[in-house]
Amino acid sequence: TQLLEQSPQFLSIQEGENLTVYCNSSSVFSSLQWYRQEPGEGPVLLVTVVTGGEVKKLKRLTFQFGDARKDSSLHITAAQPGDTGLYLCAGAGRETSGSRLTFGEGTQLTVNP
Amino acid sequence: ETGVTQTPRHLVMGMTNKKSLKCEQHLGHNAMYWYKQSAKKPLELMFVYSLEERVENNSVPSRFSPECPNSSHLFLHLHTLQPEDSALYLCASSQGQQLYGYTFGSGTRLTVV
Repeated sequence: TQLLEQSPQFLSIQEGENLTVYCNSSSVFSSLQWYRQEPGEGPVLLVTVVTGGEVKKLKRLTFQFGDARKDSSLHITAAQPGDTGLYLCAGAGRETSGSRLTFGEGTQLTVNP
Repeated sequence: ETGVTQTPRHLVMGMTNKKSLKCEQHLGHNAMYWYKQSAKKPLELMFVYSLEERVENNSVPSRFSPECPNSSHLFLHLHTLQPEDSALYLCASSQGQQLYGYTFGSGTRLTVV
């Protein structure tokens, strides 16, 4: 079983602050995805990273895939209340076939005005 | 209508009832999934259908019965559920490869009384 551990589990910050959330595993993943889930809705895909060391930017969000493809981070600059939500990382395993993803438990982010 | 649509959004049922959850996707994807999301736990994969054939059943109790009549529709038939089955049930679809990510529906919030 490939497990993904996310940290921190909960994060409450003020508008304008920066933050980083982490996604770690002892397993190697062929790709890793980040989703954001708002209350009462399903997760929405933010980004997919594929290459070890890859960095992708989505406005104020910066995603990085570790060199060994075992971990990833999400950095948010100048957080806004609209960034509030549950952030989930999900990995696609090198050993698995088909379309199955392994999800982490998520980081619940609250950005206070 | 586009995306993944789930109905109903909310469902309260007794332990002796029989009900069904419906999922519909208009994205032309060839794989569909049922996930269970409970508080403080990672998303739990329940069933995977690829090209309308069930390819995975993650030791789900028989009181949950999936049905995939065609590539656009997925059902989850429920009977004699337990209170611990109360959760958010999410449907997702994908175009085969993990790389492209999943598109999730908004979920059905199920409460078993």
